[in-house]
This record gives sequence, C-alpha cells and structure tokens, in this order.
Amino acid sequence: DTGVSQDPRHKITKRGQNVTFRCDPISEHNRLYWYRQTLGQGPEFLTYFQNEAQLEKSRLLSDRFSAERPKGSFSTLEIQRTEQGDSAMYLCASSLAAENTEAFFGQGTRLTVV
Amino acid sequence: AQSVTQLGSHVSVSEGALVLLRCNYSSSVPPYLFWYVQYPNQGLQLLLKYTSAATLVKGINGFEAEFKKSETSFHLTKPSAHMSDAAEYFCAVSDLGSGNTGKLIFGQGTTLQVKP
Repeated sequence: DTGVSQDPRHKITKRGQNVTFRCDPISEHNRLYWYRQTLGQGPEFLTYFQNEAQLEKSRLLSDRFSAERPKGSFSTLEIQRTEQGDSAMYLCASSLAAENTEAFFGQGTRLTVV
Repeated sequence: AQSVTQLGSHVSVSEGALVLLRCNYSSSVPPYLFWYVQYPNQGLQLLLKYTSAATLVKGINGFEAEFKKSETSFHLTKPSAHMSDAAEYFCAVSDLGSGNTGKLIFGQGTTLQVKP
C-alpha cells in the first residue's frame, strides 16, 4: 500500500475559478477526513465520510465547498468561486472506523488563489 | 467539547540537548491524544499516540510522551535532539471511544529549531 495519495500537490488558480482536489485513501480504510491548514496554524477539520456517507461537516465548510465519496473509495473536494481566503493546504486523512486507531495523512494539496 | 493548547509556538534547542514540547488538553470524555510531525510542504506523520493504556508512550525517532490526567497534559520529549528533528509538531485530541467520529482537534503547532 502506498498510503494516502492526494492530487494535485499544488494548485494556483485565479479568484473566482472552481477547483477540485482528489484524495485516494489507504484501500481498507472506511473513514476519510478532509482538513484545512493555513500558514502557521494547525489543521482544522472540514468534513468526514464513513464509506460513502458524509457524516459530519464543519461550519468552516461554506456553501462554496462540496465533498463527495461516491463509491466509498476516493474522495473529491470542490471549491467553487474561489476566494483569496481559500488559500491553504488541504489535507486528506484516512482511518478504520474502530477504537484505538489512528489517521494516516496524505501529503496535502497546497492551493494558492491569486 | 475538546481543545488543545500548545505552549510555545517556537522552541529552539542545541543539537544533543533535551527536547520538551508542551501540550495541554481539554476534553469532556476520556481523551485519545496524538503527536504528529510535519516537515515543510508535507503531510503529517504520526509520532505516537495515547489511547488509555500505558501513560508513558514511546514513539518513533526516540520521542516519548507522558499522559498526566491531573495536569491535563501530554508533553513530548526526546533526550537528545538531532538536526533532523527540526520540524513543526502538532498535538491533537480525538474522541476515539465507542461511537466516535475519530476527527482530530489540533493545537496550533510548535516549530522546533535545532542549532548545531
């Protein structure tokens, strides 16, 4: 297993454009999480899936953000009408839905909105 | 509600010196605690975790942490710093008990600088 994979690693976009990021979790993991990390801060929880169901969304996830995990495998995070404040590192993590397990993180997608 | 406070956003030590990174938590349920390390432009790598077993937890790269319920602390230590330890360190708390979500609440991070 190659771990959690995120694509692209870097994205530069103009304000107002839509962007989509992809996350491929560790294959046997049924939980998938998205976090956002701005410069000098710790990651902040955005949303998570168990299998294909999106079970929780943070208030940070505005209407311009949407996440999907259509077949319970990979996930996408789309940001519509990007704003400069969306510039951040978007981290994906996966885990098993069990006690005493830890989440494994991907290398992140760094988004820059110009 | 759960929260984490990391005391000191920047810690500088000499190579070979003791590393001590401080973390205090708040949790209304028995906490599960983690330390992650992040190198520039990389994701997070788990150093160690506390999940209600032994209070002294040993992790990778010579790091360890002690869970102290009375002090609501989970400080990270390493006896002798190496140059390769220079990175950002994050303490996190989670609700990994029964019926959990597993989401992590992170502290703001501590940058460790190691001087030659």
